[in-house]
Amino acid sequence: DQQVKQNSPSLSVQEGRISILNCDYTNSMFDYFLWYKKYPAEGPTFLISISSIKDKNEDGRFTVFLNKSAKHLSLHIVPSQPGDSAVYFCAARGFGNEKLTFGTGTRLTIIP
Amino acid sequence: ETGVTQSPTHLIKTRGQQVTLRCSSQSGHNTVSWYQQALGQGPQFIFQYYREEENGRGNFPPRFSGLQFPNYSSELNVNALELDDSALYLCASSLDGNYGYTFGSGTRLTVV
Repeated sequence: DQQVKQNSPSLSVQEGRISILNCDYTNSMFDYFLWYKKYPAEGPTFLISISSIKDKNEDGRFTVFLNKSAKHLSLHIVPSQPGDSAVYFCAARGFGNEKLTFGTGTRLTIIP
Repeated sequence: ETGVTQSPTHLIKTRGQQVTLRCSSQSGHNTVSWYQQALGQGPQFIFQYYREEENGRGNFPPRFSGLQFPNYSSELNVNALELDDSALYLCASSLDGNYGYTFGSGTRLTVV
């Protein structure tokens, strides 16, 4: 039962344009959402997060949007840079729950 | 501050053997979680230790066990290895199980 889904295994975007990565979830008990970035041979690195009481959170070039009614979140990167090429994981956590539930990841490639 | 370090980085074991993976948590962190990432999948939660006690477990059999030491470092032990145990094993530390998880680079285990 895949509670967190990233339906696009890969995405290619031109440098300088906007990258939009999507994530859907099914568990309404999730109340905190995170995005991680992973380079080969490295562990996931935290990017940005959002609580379920918000619908948007920004940090520099990264913005996460949460649509609770649709159980959907998205990560916007603008402008996209070559160093953004990596695998991006969406993760979710329920209140008082200790575990993160991850999606399967989206490989983002920024084309120079 | 030092990050999360895992050892070894790579390991090859034979089916039926036992393996111990090690993790040093980030300075100041008292909670350690372990995740298994199979090829093409997102990380799957194995268990979490808080102040030397297991306080959460994912859907993994009892042959996956762990320890946390007084200095908050941790071990993951897997008995009776199976071919499907081949994966990247990630350790993540945090303070009091809060959302600021820091991941290590992982141990790549291959079971033959």
